Amino acid sequence: QKEVEQDPGPLSVPEGAIVSLNCTYSNSAFQYFMWYRQYSRKGPELLMYTYSSGNKEDGRFTAQVDKSSKYISLFIRDSQPSDSATYLCAMKAGANSKLTFGKGITLSVRP
Amino acid sequence: DSGVTQTPKHLITATGQRVTLRCSPRSGDLSVYWYQQSLDQGLQFLIQYYNGEERAKGNILERFSAQQFPDLHSELNLSSLELGDSALYFCASSVGFVTPNTGELFFGEGSRLTVL
Repeated sequence: QKEVEQDPGPLSVPEGAIVSLNCTYSNSAFQYFMWYRQYSRKGPELLMYTYSSGNKEDGRFTAQVDKSSKYISLFIRDSQPSDSATYLCAMKAGANSKLTFGKGITLSVRP
Repeated sequence: DSGVTQTPKHLITATGQRVTLRCSPRSGDLSVYWYQQSLDQGLQFLIQYYNGEERAKGNILERFSAQQFPDLHSELNLSSLELGDSALYFCASSVGFVTPNTGELFFGEGSRLTVL
């Protein structure tokens, strides 16, 4: 079992839809959780970061962590064509640990 | 623009050959990370250098090596190339010695390697 599993996709939604992207993990030591966005032919860029459990909101984006279920989600409200990209979850345990990424899911928002 | 520069953007070579990928980190960043991205494995951490010294090692093959020079640019050397080495290779940088807990790494645009 991989440490981080992410829904493989791809995912196609109409403009204005609410999108839910999810990752599960097996390592209970993970305590720092991130979402990266990667546009085509570009490198990943950090979108959101959350520490431990709870929700974090940034504009149309909400990151949610449920450590008891080892499950994290990224919600995108009022999705736009400009949100079309690959979204990767990433996680980190302690201060000296490395980032572990999910495989990524490609989202397409249709105008 | 992340401030991280990678060259070349595309590279096509044959099996058994050797290539060198180059990375210049963001101004002021002392750590350089190398990642490999493929469809089946996702984004895999290879190696990290901090201020010229190897800091952490991930799933890097023995055929691969890296170094960071005094001017902080880094090179990833891939030798005895196999078809399975075809992938996107990303360089990322950060300021400190350890991967930030916020996960804030600045990635370059990658080098796409095709091995024929």
